[in-house]
Amino acid sequence: NAGVTQTPKFQVLKTGQSMTLQCAQDMNHEYMSWYRQDPGMGLRLIHYSVGAGITDQGEVPNGYNVSRSTTEDFPLRLLSAAPSQTSVYFCASSYTGPRSPLHFGNGTRLTVT
Amino acid sequence: QQPVQSPQAVILREGEDAVINCSSSKALYSVHWYRQKHGEAPVFLMILLKGGEQKGHDKISASFNEKKQQSSLYLTASQLSYSGTYFCGTEMEETSGSRLTFGEGTQLTVNP
Repeated sequence: NAGVTQTPKFQVLKTGQSMTLQCAQDMNHEYMSWYRQDPGMGLRLIHYSVGAGITDQGEVPNGYNVSRSTTEDFPLRLLSAAPSQTSVYFCASSYTGPRSPLHFGNGTRLTVT
Repeated sequence: QQPVQSPQAVILREGEDAVINCSSSKALYSVHWYRQKHGEAPVFLMILLKGGEQKGHDKISASFNEKKQQSSLYLTASQLSYSGTYFCGTEMEETSGSRLTFGEGTQLTVNP
């Protein structure tokens, strides 16, 4: 099993560009989430999904969109990249949400210039 | 509501013990603990559910005091491999089943 797969691993964007970070899991997990990690600030929740077709906002959703059309995939879209979105992004999934362990992908390191 | 972790950093010699604390101002349903090594993804250690149970395996254990909304992670006879940043993640009762909110982390360094 691959677990949680994130692509790309690294990305450099110019201010104003848009892009999609991909996340896929092969564990049949219902719950998927996106976090961003900045130095000294821990992991902050951007968006999450409790199942296909259902998404909701986390702590820091502004500037990001998500959709969940299948159980396996949970892409994160940056609408108009800003330098403040420079961060490491982690996708995580679990069987039933916060009642079960989160499995993290290897992360995407994004730099916005 | 982000949980508060303490201490922010701790340095140990191999074989020493450490305690990392996690507290919340909100009523909690569950607490998770993860360890992250530099440049890697966080890795799950354990979950504690409402009920005050204590969990552990090998030399790492944890407790959850639901009256105080506090959890503690105990690392005994530390090994070099324990080095990394430890995060607690909390599920509040008011958002039960949906969000896991992480603290800022505790950086643990184990020296020979």
